[in-house]
Amino acid sequence: DTGVSQDPRHKITKRGQNVTFRCDPISEHNRLYWYRQTLGQGPEFLTYFQNEAQLEKSRLLSDRFSAERPKGSFSTLEIQRTEQGDSAMYLCASILGLAGDNSYNEQFFGPGTRLTVL
Amino acid sequence: GEDVEQSLFLSVREGDSSVINCTYTDSSSTYLYWYKQEPGAGLQLLTYIFSNMDMKQDQRLTVLLNKKDKHLSLRIADTQTGDSAIYFCAEKGYGQNFVFGPGTRLSVLP
Repeated sequence: DTGVSQDPRHKITKRGQNVTFRCDPISEHNRLYWYRQTLGQGPEFLTYFQNEAQLEKSRLLSDRFSAERPKGSFSTLEIQRTEQGDSAMYLCASILGLAGDNSYNEQFFGPGTRLTVL
Repeated sequence: GEDVEQSLFLSVREGDSSVINCTYTDSSSTYLYWYKQEPGAGLQLLTYIFSNMDMKQDQRLTVLLNKKDKHLSLRIADTQTGDSAIYFCAEKGYGQNFVFGPGTRLSVLP
């Protein structure tokens, strides 16, 4: 257990439905990342937060995806009008970000939420 | 853009050494990482190396970095069945974006 939790662990939904996932990072970690991982691939960066500010979004993050981290603690990732191509494992990771971009940053990953869109 | 490549499969016998290779394209990478993922679990950081180093050893793990060729390797000495997992190479540039390879599935045969 890394200290990062995600809920739910599994989600099965029908195409067109909306889904929301939650990530609870390690409490003192100020940076939070969302990744998507499909079978046979490594995690692909989706977005990251520094405290409550969403600082970077991947081109993979279409308009149907939205992420929030309202109080700089937990984060939610919502997918609207799900498509079968959204089926994947959604991973969350948190970091205690040190000053300066050249810092060593150990990411602590949650167990992931596996989404299946029927 | 940034890209990280790895061979997809590796099989070794228990007790032998495993060497997992990775190539990356971003010459501005500051840190390079090796993560391990076991079935049904999230990724776990195994080790990392700063880009101005060429080798790092941590117990059974040895990381070699050839910055000129943009080649990273992970050697696991005395490989055990518990080392069977998927190993991901990842790089971090000057931004906050991490780029992961596709993973190498290591199978350890008894």
